[in-house]
Amino acid sequence: GAVVSQHPSWVICKSGTSVKIECRSLDFQATTMFWYRQFPKQSLMLMATSNEGSKATYEQGVEKDKFLINHASLTLSTLTVTSAHPEDSSFYICSAPRGEGYIQYFGAGTRLSVL
Amino acid sequence: QKEVEQNSGPLSVPEGAIASLNCTYSDRGSQSFFWYRQYSGKSPELIMSIYSNGDKEDGRFTAQLNKASQYVSLLIRDSQPSDSATYLCAVIGFLGSSYDKVIFGPGTSLSVIP
Repeated sequence: GAVVSQHPSWVICKSGTSVKIECRSLDFQATTMFWYRQFPKQSLMLMATSNEGSKATYEQGVEKDKFLINHASLTLSTLTVTSAHPEDSSFYICSAPRGEGYIQYFGAGTRLSVL
Repeated sequence: QKEVEQNSGPLSVPEGAIASLNCTYSDRGSQSFFWYRQYSGKSPELIMSIYSNGDKEDGRFTAQLNKASQYVSLLIRDSQPSDSATYLCAVIGFLGSSYDKVIFGPGTSLSVIP
């Protein structure tokens, strides 16, 4: 079964609103989680590294004030897309590493459509 | 800049044939190597992990790693139409004493023709 849960799986919102996406590790603790964005027919793009109890580390070009990340517990990280616009429409995926090999387990993804 | 490259696709193979997917990476310090499969509209799922030089087999899948050549491959035997997907190569190194972030390749699209 799934080891990483991501919700919601699909969200439609109006331009200017904020959307929160949750990523949970189900039976293990994850001090680090990762957030990716994927546009159609393109590869995964790492947006940020979520660190439990500290600030997230954002990749170059990713606006930290627009994509707010909170990792308040060892099993939950949230990504909030603030003041969403149509260009933010994309497939957002989280992952959490587990085990000695640092295997990444992915959530099911969230498809965001901003009207 | 740490990079992972994959053979350009799309790759088409007939059903029952062997599909060969290749990946090269730039960081010699890389420690862990993974192959993920991603169906259209879905998130990636792990197929294989490999950490030491040589071959690792799991069912119809065989991963091969050559750290000296900075090369990792995935062979799919007896390819099935259900194997049609994009295959992502992923590599992790160390940053100090901790794991670094995962670097993904651009992916290779595989189409298995019935």
